Amino acid sequence: GNSVTQMEGPVTLSEEAFLTINCTYTATGYPSLFWYVQYPGEGLQLLLKATKADDKGSNKGFEATYRKETTSFHLEKGSVQVSDSAVYFCALSGGSYIPTFGRGTSLIVHP
Amino acid sequence: EAQVTQNPRYLITVTGKKLTVTCSQNMNHEYMSWYRQDPGLGLRQIYYSMNVEVTDKGDVPEGYKVSRKEKRNFPLILESPSPNQTSLYFCASQGGVNEKLFFGSGTQLSVL
Repeated sequence: GNSVTQMEGPVTLSEEAFLTINCTYTATGYPSLFWYVQYPGEGLQLLLKATKADDKGSNKGFEATYRKETTSFHLEKGSVQVSDSAVYFCALSGGSYIPTFGRGTSLIVHP
Repeated sequence: EAQVTQNPRYLITVTGKKLTVTCSQNMNHEYMSWYRQDPGLGLRQIYYSMNVEVTDKGDVPEGYKVSRKEKRNFPLILESPSPNQTSLYFCASQGGVNEKLFFGSGTQLSVL
């Protein structure tokens, strides 16, 4: 079956540091890949997505590239802000209505 | 504004007292689902529904019921809540295969 593995947190950074959150997946076929963000006290919301190999999703300074050869979709941001503190979920949708989520990675950014 | 509305946001109850968490979406989505979120375990799917009167179990359905009598509503029912159902619950809807999920704001449930 499908699975998503993302790095455990929390990830703690200083403001303006570079961020990478690793995500790898196992799936048959050609899934769509997503990053969702959950700010404190809120539900998850889509951050970015990619639907085919070599696609790059981007939003709010975050980027992730769909790498089929390494089955990865790592999330990156060049300069994080305190307001980026949240939990980040990697997810895939493998051609059905039933998505698969990673366990989430908590990001804490200090001023 | 496209949204998924869950109620209540917070709920404290006692073991065995039946409760319902409501969920409604205004996007005419066919697919809806319920998740629970627990520390260290991430999101786990409880039930999902492909359309009206079509529901199926997710990964952790024990102790929960759902119904889908109308397209916009997908309530979660706990007929006899137990303390191990203390959790943060999310409802979600989706417009099509491989499309993004829209999540509600969550319901924090405590069962004493």
